[in-house]
Amino acid sequence: GESVGLHLPTLSVQEGDNSIINCAYSNSASDYFIWYKQESGKGPQFIIDIRSNMDKRQGQRVTVLLNKTVKHLSLQIAATQPGDSAVYFCAENIMRNNDMRFGAGTRLTVKP
Amino acid sequence: EAGVAQSPRYKIIEKRQSVAFWCNPISGHATLYWYQQILGQGPKLLIQFQNNGVVDDSQLPKDRFSAERLKGVDSTLKIQPAKLEDSAVYLCASSRLAGGPSREQFFGPGTRLTVL
Repeated sequence: GESVGLHLPTLSVQEGDNSIINCAYSNSASDYFIWYKQESGKGPQFIIDIRSNMDKRQGQRVTVLLNKTVKHLSLQIAATQPGDSAVYFCAENIMRNNDMRFGAGTRLTVKP
Repeated sequence: EAGVAQSPRYKIIEKRQSVAFWCNPISGHATLYWYQQILGQGPKLLIQFQNNGVVDDSQLPKDRFSAERLKGVDSTLKIQPAKLEDSAVYLCASSRLAGGPSREQFFGPGTRLTVL
């Protein structure tokens, strides 16, 4: 069936560098996408979202890019900090029913 | 605003035993979700409630899993009998509404279940 997936399971970056986490989705009906951060022992925490009528959205130190042509989503974290170390999930959603489908996740490790 | 509460935080049982998890969503949130998160994977939706009605339970293994939200607030998820493959973190989430601009889901800390 259609699913959300990630290109890389792990990512290690140096503190202060920028991080880019990628995600591929295949459900063309999805019209809303969310990035979550999950720290050890905690539930996922909302980071940023984007609707399918947009191709870029910026938050505080984070930017989400959506390329509908190739069904690709990315999360950019500027000036990565040790506190950013966590597992990051992308999720796709169809607006009318809020049925969220998560990808497998990417573990981000920030080296001091 | 208090977050989503879940209990217990940890549970260890033997296979074929029964177990129940409890969730208290954020006050005023109409929609409640239960997810199963197996180690190393993303959360998988088990069931979605809108108030006290079931919206989607297509991925709930109904032969052993059941859930209820009788008064449209708290919810319980039960497994009876448990299997080894049920070992996972069970996450509860709530959102103000299903769909629309108030769709952001807020997650609880989860209950880590180990089936021996």
